[in-house]
Amino acid sequence: TQLLEQSPQFLSIQEGENLTVYCNSSSVFSSLQWYRQEPGEGPVLLVTVVTGGEVKKLKRLTFQFGDARKDSSLHITAAQPGDTGLYLCAGASAGGTSYGKLTFGQGTILTVHP
Amino acid sequence: DSGVTQTPKHLITATGQRVTLRCSPRSGDLSVYWYQQSLDQGLQFLIQYYNGEERAKGNILERFSAQQFPDLHSELNLSSLELGDSALYFCASSVGGGPVGSPLHFGNGTRLTVT
Repeated sequence: TQLLEQSPQFLSIQEGENLTVYCNSSSVFSSLQWYRQEPGEGPVLLVTVVTGGEVKKLKRLTFQFGDARKDSSLHITAAQPGDTGLYLCAGASAGGTSYGKLTFGQGTILTVHP
Repeated sequence: DSGVTQTPKHLITATGQRVTLRCSPRSGDLSVYWYQQSLDQGLQFLIQYYNGEERAKGNILERFSAQQFPDLHSELNLSSLELGDSALYFCASSVGGGPVGSPLHFGNGTRLTVT
């Protein structure tokens, strides 16, 4: 069974601070996705990283895929209250009986205080 | 708005009962996925259908079943309900046959409460 461990589980910070969320596994994934979920809504895809060592930027958010494609990180610069939400990483398996399965981490609940 | 429609939004039922959750995928998407989200288990993959056929299976209980119809909408049937089945059930859709290279678009979920 593939598992993704996210840390920290909870993060409460002040507006303007920087933060990093980690997503780790002992398994190799063909790609890794990051989602953000707000209360009462479904997860919304932020980014997909595919290549080991890949770095993608989305405004103040920087996503990195580990060289071995087993881990990923999400870094937010100068966090704003609008960044508040549940952040989920999800690893995709490409073949065999695991095809179609997206394994989600437990999530990080981020609260940014004004 | 993701374009994925799930009904109903809320469902309250008693143990032992059977319910059906419905999902309409985004226009043009051929894959439908069902996920269960609970506080202790997080988001768990249940099952995927692609163009009417079962494509991948996750941790779906035998009491649960799903299908995708010719018009591509999908239904998730939950029977002999137990208290532990209380959770948020999400449907997602994608254009391709798998999440690799084909982003998932999630609906807003059905909150099931079993009393």
